[in-house]
Formats: sequence, structure tokens, C-alpha cells
Amino acid sequence: EAGVAQSPRYKIIEKRQSVAFWCNPISGHATLYWYQQILGQGPKLLIQFQNNGVVDDSQLPKDRFSAERLKGVDSTLKIQPAKLEDSAVYLCASSEPFLETQYFGPGTRLLVL
Amino acid sequence: AQTVTQSQPEMSVQEAETVTLSCTYDTSESNYYLFWYKQPPSRQMILVIRQEAYKQQNATENRFSVNFQKAAKSFSLKISDSQLGDTAMYFCASLSGGGADGLTFGKGTHLIIQP
Repeated sequence: EAGVAQSPRYKIIEKRQSVAFWCNPISGHATLYWYQQILGQGPKLLIQFQNNGVVDDSQLPKDRFSAERLKGVDSTLKIQPAKLEDSAVYLCASSEPFLETQYFGPGTRLLVL
Repeated sequence: AQTVTQSQPEMSVQEAETVTLSCTYDTSESNYYLFWYKQPPSRQMILVIRQEAYKQQNATENRFSVNFQKAAKSFSLKISDSQLGDTAMYFCASLSGGGADGLTFGKGTHLIIQP
């Protein structure tokens, strides 16, 4: 069974530029999460989708971050404009509904200069 | 809101030894789940073990086992016969039973297995 796929793996941008990350969850997983992991810390939830609806985006900085999950499968996370403090690893995870175990992708490492 | 605390930033043991990583948590939920994830240098977060709070029996997965003390809100991970490949960051995490809040992670413990 294929795991969670993410691209790109690495991205370097200048501050105030925009960037987008893509995630493809495990087939059949209705729930999709985006986490931000700053160096030296544990991941922090940014947004959770159930199918193509948002369940929780309370920690998403909505003035610069946006996310969508069209057709309830793939998802994109966008940052516009990026700040230096957005440098982090962005992890995507998915789970089957009600089974609670989340499986993570390899992450996208973002460096904002 | 849930909180997870890992008080050991780094631990180092010799290969084949047994090591225990500590984790405490706080939650107002009656139904919740606890996890240990491993994150090697590749950054891929890998599930190690999972515990349902309503189960009294401690979870085990091969060389990995937990000591779940519900009253004390403690959830430690024991790794037996440690191997070089166990070197990684280990994160303790909690999830409310409804699953609507995502995982709450601790800050992690860097485990180094020495040859």
C-alpha cells in the first residue's frame, strides 16, 4: 500500500514570495492533516480536513496561509507572502475516519531567506 | 486543551541495552489515545506504538512496550535490546477521542544508540 506522498521535498524562497505544497493521502483515508514542525519542536496542527470539508483550522495563520482539498483527495497548502519564521518542515498526515492512527508523509522542508 | 511533556531532551545508551523514555500528559477528555512516533534524520514520522486510554493492558510491539499509568497521566516507552537503527527523535503524542483536534505532540527526546 502506498504511503502519504508529498512534494516538493525541499524549497528555498525569499521572504515575501509565495510557495505551495502538495499532499496525496493514503488511498481511502478521508481525514487529512497539515502540521508545521519548527526546528527543535514537535509538530503543530495547522488544519484538518474530513473529506473536502475543514474540521479545524484554528491554528492556521489565515492572513498568509491557505489550504484546500478539492474532491476530498489531494490537498495543497499555500503560504503568501512567506516570512522568515515560516521556515519549518511541513508534514502531511492522513487517517481513516474513526481509527485515529495518523500516517505521515516525508514532509517538505521550507527555508525562507 | 491537551498538553504533552517530555522532560528528557536527549538520552544515550549502548547497543543492546534497554532504555525508557518518559512522557506525561494532561487532558480533560475521558476518551483519548496516546502514541509514540519515531522521527529519524530523514524526517519521516513513523508510528511506533499506540495505546487506547480505555484499555488497562499496556501495548507492546516487538521490542517496544509502554507503561501506561492513567491516574498519574504517565506514558513511558521502553525499548528493549536497543539497535543502532533506533537512533532518532521520539515524540509522545495525544489525541482526543473525537479526533477533531489533531495530535498534540511533546517536544521530543533525541535517543542515541552507541555501538
